[in-house]
Formats: sequence, structure tokens, C-alpha cells
Amino acid sequence: SQQGEEDPQALSIQEGENATMNCSYKTSINNLQWYRQNSGRGLVHLILIRSNEREKHSGRLRVTLDTSKKSSSLLITASRAADTASYFCATASGAGSYQLTFGKGTKLSVIP
Amino acid sequence: EAGVTQFPSHSVIEKGQTVTLRCDPISGHDNLYWYRRVMGKEIKFLLHFVKESKQDESGMPNNRFLAERTGGTYSTLKVQPAELEDSGVYFCASSQRGSYNSPLHFGNGTRLTVT
Repeated sequence: SQQGEEDPQALSIQEGENATMNCSYKTSINNLQWYRQNSGRGLVHLILIRSNEREKHSGRLRVTLDTSKKSSSLLITASRAADTASYFCATASGAGSYQLTFGKGTKLSVIP
Repeated sequence: EAGVTQFPSHSVIEKGQTVTLRCDPISGHDNLYWYRRVMGKEIKFLLHFVKESKQDESGMPNNRFLAERTGGTYSTLKVQPAELEDSGVYFCASSQRGSYNSPLHFGNGTRLTVT
């Protein structure tokens, strides 16, 4: 089993609809981060939520964190074709290391 | 500001050969990280530099991999000799502060294919 598993693996929606992606993890964390990757490009940081936070917003993005369930969700509202990308959650667990643990990602397709 | 740049973008080599990947972090970023994604797997941490020092190299798979950051600026990751299972995309990232709460800035990656 993996730290930071996204669900679903793939999601296809119409432009204007909302997209929800979920992430589950297994160990305690300092924070959870969401990244986006467009095809052939690097990862772009979207939002970071700390372990003592429950919800965070950034533009059309809304992230929730439930540490009791060890899960997070990323909501993209009013999706656009440009939101088509892979989305990854990553956890920072501390313990003296700054390494992030990534999931396999959710591939989002927004159809114009 | 210029982003994290990686060179080359693609590399195809034969098993047993040597390849060196380069990463130029964002200017002023003391923290530099290497990550790798092999086909169908998660993006995995390789190591973390603070300036020229290796802070954490727990993710380096074996001694065929050597990372350096002389002078605390750009970094290189050498694979010698390359094996088939080394194929994947190698990402470099940097951050201004070494903190759990510092987001990483990633380069576009180097796609390595070992044949």
C-alpha cells in the first residue's frame, strides 16, 4: 500500500463541471500538498494544507483535510479545458526529513 | 524569475553506459531535491541538498547513482553504469527554505531511456 493514493485514477468531465479528487495516506503528516502536471512538463505546486488546518481555498481550488480519516480532497470548481492535467497529492511526514511522498496521481480530462 | 531548468530533456543510452543529468535551481534557492518516476510507479524522492551538502540521500537506490552540487549552485546526477530499471523521468526541484511547509518548484524533468 502507498502513502498518498489518489482516487480516482482517471476522471473525465465536461467544461464547467466540478472535479473532485481524493487522496488517502497512512502515516501522520506535517502537511499535505497538491501538485499539477501538464503533459511533458514539471509539477506545479497548487496548494499546501497543514495538519492543523481543515480547509483551504485558492481561486477555484478547495482542499480539505481530515486527519482522523487520513484523507484529503481537491475540488476544482467550474473546470476549464486548461485544467486538463495529472494531479498529485504529496505528504510531508517530517521525522527529520523534508522529502515528500507522492501518490500515483489522478489524470483529469476536461472536455470543451 | 527563471524556473528550475534541467538538461537534457531526453536521453537514450545503452545499458552499461554512463549518463549525467544536470539541474539548475532557481537562483537563491539553497535547497535542491532530486525525484524520479519510473513507469507506472509513484514519484519517489532520491535526495536533498542544502547548498553543497547532502542533507538526506535515503532515497538513492544504489551506489550506481552519484549526485553532486559543487559550490551549492547547479547539481548533477550521474548514473554509472546504467541499468534497464533506471529508465524513467528524473525531476529536480528547489525551494528557498528547507522546511516542511515550503512548496517545491520543479523542473520539466529529464526522460531517461536505457535500452
